[in-house]
Amino acid sequence: NAGVTQTPKFQVLKTGQSMTLQCAQDMNHEYMSWYRQDPGMGLRLIHYSVGAGITDQGEVPNGYNVSRSTTEDFPLRLLSAAPSQTSVYFCASSYRGTGLAKNIQYFGAGTRLSVL
Amino acid sequence: GQQVMQIPQYQHVQEGEDFTTYCNSSTTLSNIQWYKQRPGGHPVFLIQLVKSGEVKKQKRLTFQFGEAKKNSSLHITATQTTDVGTYFCAGRNTGFQKLVFGTGTRLLVSP
Repeated sequence: NAGVTQTPKFQVLKTGQSMTLQCAQDMNHEYMSWYRQDPGMGLRLIHYSVGAGITDQGEVPNGYNVSRSTTEDFPLRLLSAAPSQTSVYFCASSYRGTGLAKNIQYFGAGTRLSVL
Repeated sequence: GQQVMQIPQYQHVQEGEDFTTYCNSSTTLSNIQWYKQRPGGHPVFLIQLVKSGEVKKQKRLTFQFGEAKKNSSLHITATQTTDVGTYFCAGRNTGFQKLVFGTGTRLLVSP
């Protein structure tokens, strides 16, 4: 199993450009989420999904869109990039069923985004 | 909204010293998890606590969940250079589904 795969690993954008950060998991996890990590700010939840076709906002959703058409994929879209969106983005997934593995978040390696 | 704070934000210790980080939630939690993130890496799950007052140990690491299920702590005995990283707690509100992470404690261990 590959686990959680994020692409690209690095990206530089100009202000106003749009792009999609890709996230895919092969563990058949129902729950997926996107976080951004800024120095001294910890991990802040952007959007999350409890299953295909269901998404909801986290703490900092403005400027980002998500969709969940399949269990495996959860892309994050930046519609018009701003310098304030310079950050490291992590995608995570977890199993919502029963047992010891329930709710453990598995993270991707991250995408380092710079907006100039 | 739910807020999860951690203290201290940063701690620098000499190898062999003990270390403790504290996690406090503004709301009651259904469970709490702890993660470790090495420099340049991604968060990795350490443990999950579910019961009020629960204490779990992993070798030199001791985790506690408060009686009111609003706070937690991680204690490392006799730190080693391999303990370097940022430690995050993360919790879910009772009845809610989203997982909210704490602000993290960055640990630096000097040999």
